[in-house]
Amino acid sequence: GAGVSQSPSNKVTEKGKDVELRCDPISGHTALYWYRQSLGQGLEFLIYFQGNSAPDKSGLPSDRFSAERTGGSVSTLTIQRTQQEDSAVYLCASSPRTSGGVHEQFFGPGTRLTVL
Amino acid sequence: GENVEQHPSTLSVQEGDSAVIKCTYSDSASNYFPWYKQELGKGPQLIIDIRSNVGEKKDQRIAVTLNKTAKHFSLHITETQPEDSAVYFCAASKDSSASKIIFGSGTRLSIRP
Repeated sequence: GAGVSQSPSNKVTEKGKDVELRCDPISGHTALYWYRQSLGQGLEFLIYFQGNSAPDKSGLPSDRFSAERTGGSVSTLTIQRTQQEDSAVYLCASSPRTSGGVHEQFFGPGTRLTVL
Repeated sequence: GENVEQHPSTLSVQEGDSAVIKCTYSDSASNYFPWYKQELGKGPQLIIDIRSNVGEKKDQRIAVTLNKTAKHFSLHITETQPEDSAVYFCAASKDSSASKIIFGSGTRLSIRP
């Protein structure tokens, strides 16, 4: 079946511009995560959505970053007034997480963002 | 907050030898510990996980051990093959719907032919 998809796969933008990154999770998955991975680095947690609960935004690095999840499915990560240090691969993952506990995260291929 | 440390950051082993990657975690309430493998240009993929009610779990050439007292867990890969070359991430989480998963910094494993 279809996995997690992300678009665009690559995005090049100029410093100061806004960008929107999209994530389509696996159908039926209630949990959705965004991570940032800088070149050769680990996975930096950004934000987590679980069902209808308030999202955990504790990983967002600044108020230039925001995310939404509409209808419990598609999510959009928005970065306003991009800076060169925002250049990274942005990974989305979904999980069939329930009140019963943690489950495997299924990752998308990522969006490579380059800010010139 | 929760912190997960992972060592080594890079590891090179001869094909056929074993590889061991170690992680420690800070939150004693953590009870779910997955390991992910990331190949070049792809998202990470779960390869094995362990929950705190067991001390060891094995799946073919891959095994994970957990020491809750010391708050560390390890990934063991035996009889390494070229396709094992990748970046491996450990992670820790509390087994509840309100907890996020914290990842280690990753280990780049290279298998020498």
